[in-house]
This record gives sequence, structure tokens and C-alpha cells, in this order.
Amino acid sequence: DGGITQSPKYLFRKEGQNVTLSCEQNLNHDAMYWYRQDPGQGLRLIYYSQIVNDFQKGDIAEGYSVSREKKESFPLTVTSAQKNPTAFYLCASSIVFIGANQETQYFGPGTRLLVL
Amino acid sequence: DAKTTQPTSMDCAEGRAANLPCNHSTISGNEYVYWYRQIHSQGPQYIIHGLKNNETNEMASLIITEDRKSSTLILPHATLRDTAVYYCIVRAINKFYFGSGTKLNVKP
Repeated sequence: DGGITQSPKYLFRKEGQNVTLSCEQNLNHDAMYWYRQDPGQGLRLIYYSQIVNDFQKGDIAEGYSVSREKKESFPLTVTSAQKNPTAFYLCASSIVFIGANQETQYFGPGTRLLVL
Repeated sequence: DAKTTQPTSMDCAEGRAANLPCNHSTISGNEYVYWYRQIHSQGPQYIIHGLKNNETNEMASLIITEDRKSSTLILPHATLRDTAVYYCIVRAINKFYFGSGTKLNVKP
């Protein structure tokens, strides 16, 4: 059963706390992405990674960090520096990235982060 | 910088064709048009994409104008399960530009 999994489905964060969102894919995709979605809005790119041990900032990277130690995993940490973290977080992956512009991105089910 | 404009919402009767328009007047020659849909609180689902020619798959058809400044997604026989937000996206290198999408309401 191939696909992208995200966990947990819901996550609660206390003030000043770092939290990590998991994203795993078994599609053998090279590239992975993290997006943020606020209510009634489209998706905004946080970070993306083309290959293992490499990643790039997207449009709204401040207050977030990522790692790409394995091809199948791309965890996102929401740090205490992110002052408005409440949102729906989506992970995606695609098969080819560099220099091309027709790779289809496939999305996970998302994690909803709420601040207590 | 979404690069696309779509109506905020549309209604469609069940069993009828749903035609969702999208304007992308600043699209570049090598940028693809993608369509995704998102059912509430789920991840976006890929529907179809194209560059110049019209495309069709088991889910939908994509009609792109000759000047490539606009496109239309067609769901030939809409069902209640097609109720979702539909995103028209211009695919540039290293980035998808997501706008706010069109909320399609399929009514019985």
C-alpha cells in the first residue's frame, strides 16, 4: 500500500514548545515538500528537498526547520519562533525535481496543529 | 503570487457537467497548468495537468485556450462526492503556485 503518511493527525503545542511533524513516503520519490494551509486559503510552501541531506527554504520558512536524512522521510519542526503556528500542514512528494516543471506532487492527509 | 484567478464558488446539479474556469494570463511558455481538488480537511488530490493540448483522463478533461491564458476543467457527470475546493495551479520550476481555489457545490 504505497503512499504518503503524516502523523499525528492532530497535534497540540504549548506556548514556547517545539513540535515535530512526521512525513514518510514509500513511493521512492526524490523530492519532498512541506506546505502550510490557513482556513479558507491556498497552500504556501515552507521547505522543500530535492535529495537526501539537502533542502531549500520556501516562501514562509521562518520559524520552521527540516531535515532529510533518509529519502523516505522529511520531518518538519515547528519552533517556538513561529508565533502563529495554528494551521493545517501538508507534506507532498514528487518523482523528479531538478530543472523540470511537470512533476506531479502527491499529498499526504495532513496534520492539524493547534496551540493551547 | 498565485499566478491564477478562479471564481470563489460555483454550483452544479448532480449528473450535469461542471465547468470550472481559470485565468492564468501571465503564464510562461514552459509552465504547466495543474488541477487539484481538496475535500475538507484532507490532502489535495491530483486531477490532471497540461501544457498546450487538451487532456482527458478518467476523472476529468482539461481545455486550454490557444493563447494559454486560460483553461477550463470539466467534470463530465458531477456527483455529490465531487463537492470540494478545486485549485488551478501554474507549475514553475521548483514551485507550485496555489491560489484560493473554487468551491464547487454539487447539489442533488
